[in-house]
Amino acid sequence: NAGVMQNPRHLVRRRGQEARLRCSPMKGHSHVYWYRQLPEEGLKFMVYLQKENIIDESGMPKERFSAEFPKEGPSILRIQQVVRGDSAAYFCASSPDSTPEKLFFGSGTQLSVL
Amino acid sequence: GENVEQHPSTLSVQEGDSAVIKCTYSDSASNYFPWYKQELGKRPQLIIDIRSNVGEKKDQRIAVTLNKTAKHFSLHITETQPEDSAVYFCAASSGGYQKVTFGTGTKLQVIP
Repeated sequence: NAGVMQNPRHLVRRRGQEARLRCSPMKGHSHVYWYRQLPEEGLKFMVYLQKENIIDESGMPKERFSAEFPKEGPSILRIQQVVRGDSAAYFCASSPDSTPEKLFFGSGTQLSVL
Repeated sequence: GENVEQHPSTLSVQEGDSAVIKCTYSDSASNYFPWYKQELGKRPQLIIDIRSNVGEKKDQRIAVTLNKTAKHFSLHITETQPEDSAVYFCAASSGGYQKVTFGTGTKLQVIP
């Protein structure tokens, strides 16, 4: 089992560009969570998705940010028109169901906005 | 929503000493409290967890205690070793689907 796979590991974008972060959950996992981690800070919940459904996006900014988890393929976190404040590590976690005891994290994507 | 506070933000101990990290939570409905360890540049990994029907749980050198009345829980690491150096996050889950809310982390440094 390859674990939760995130790519790219590092992503550099200029202000105004789009960033697309991908997360492939562990095999058999149908629940995906996205967290953002700023330097010297904790993990901030952004969005929780199940296959083809957004369950909770209360932690995600209303503008420029969107997430999806299609029936086939990885979950995508999309940030449009990036700004310097979007620079952070974005972690994806997956679980086989909605119980938190089985939350496994990916290695994260470090987004740097120039 | 749930709010989790964690103290201290940094902690330095001599190798072999004990380390204690404390967290408080706000939502009395929270019933699951995991602790994650994150080494530099790596993913957070679950090291121990506790449910609200249990007051204490141990796993070798690591223990977690929970006080539901006071809404606080703590991580205890005994006989610390240099490889314990990392950032530790407490968390609490509440809500119908058990969303996990994290504390701000404690950077633990074990000095050889």
